[in-house]
Amino acid sequence: DAKTTQPPSMDCAEGRAANLPCNHSTISGNEYVYWYRQIHSQGPQYIIHGLKNNETNEMASLIITEDRKSSTLILPHATLRDTAVYYCIVRPNLYTGANSKLTFGKGITLSVRP
Amino acid sequence: EAQVTQNPRYLITVTGKKLTVTCSQNMNHEYMSWYRQDPGLGLRQIYYSMNVEVTDKGDVPEGYKVSRKEKRNFPLILESPSPNQTSLYFCASSFGGDTQYFGPGTRLTVL
Repeated sequence: DAKTTQPPSMDCAEGRAANLPCNHSTISGNEYVYWYRQIHSQGPQYIIHGLKNNETNEMASLIITEDRKSSTLILPHATLRDTAVYYCIVRPNLYTGANSKLTFGKGITLSVRP
Repeated sequence: EAQVTQNPRYLITVTGKKLTVTCSQNMNHEYMSWYRQDPGLGLRQIYYSMNVEVTDKGDVPEGYKVSRKEKRNFPLILESPSPNQTSLYFCASSFGGDTQYFGPGTRLTVL
């Protein structure tokens, strides 16, 4: 899987948008960008994924640059419950058993302040 | 509600006493996997299963066994637990290994 780079931490005010950046300059054409998060010691939670078009779901929006070398996860109205470690992962869309595992880097710790 | 459940959520045991951590999903997923998470080491895959009766080793399978007799269940068995298996364990499932849905975790302490 392509390597990703995320800043170690960021914070934002409750109710404001949280924009979490991720660099993945070595992404290849068949790799998707996935975002997961992990609230302290809970199971990781899938948020969103995309290939090249921007994506939106009930949790977040994902903006991928045209060259696909970076992306931004947007939480439009952050709440205290969004405080977590957010992981950006790039993975191919074709899975065999051997490449099915998820590998999380250090992620970015988002702290939402009241 | 679509979910992955694990039991028990917390377990303290002693070296050598066999234990089983259960995992069940209600989403009819073919793929299931076990991970352990340790500080500084991230998430590491123990075993995975692509379907019933099909299992394979992940990165850290030593000391663990699994079985997949039914699609919904994927128990993790520690035949002779040791202190280095003290960890936070997660079960995950998905249709084909792409978007994975995780259970709440089992915190295991082996004394």
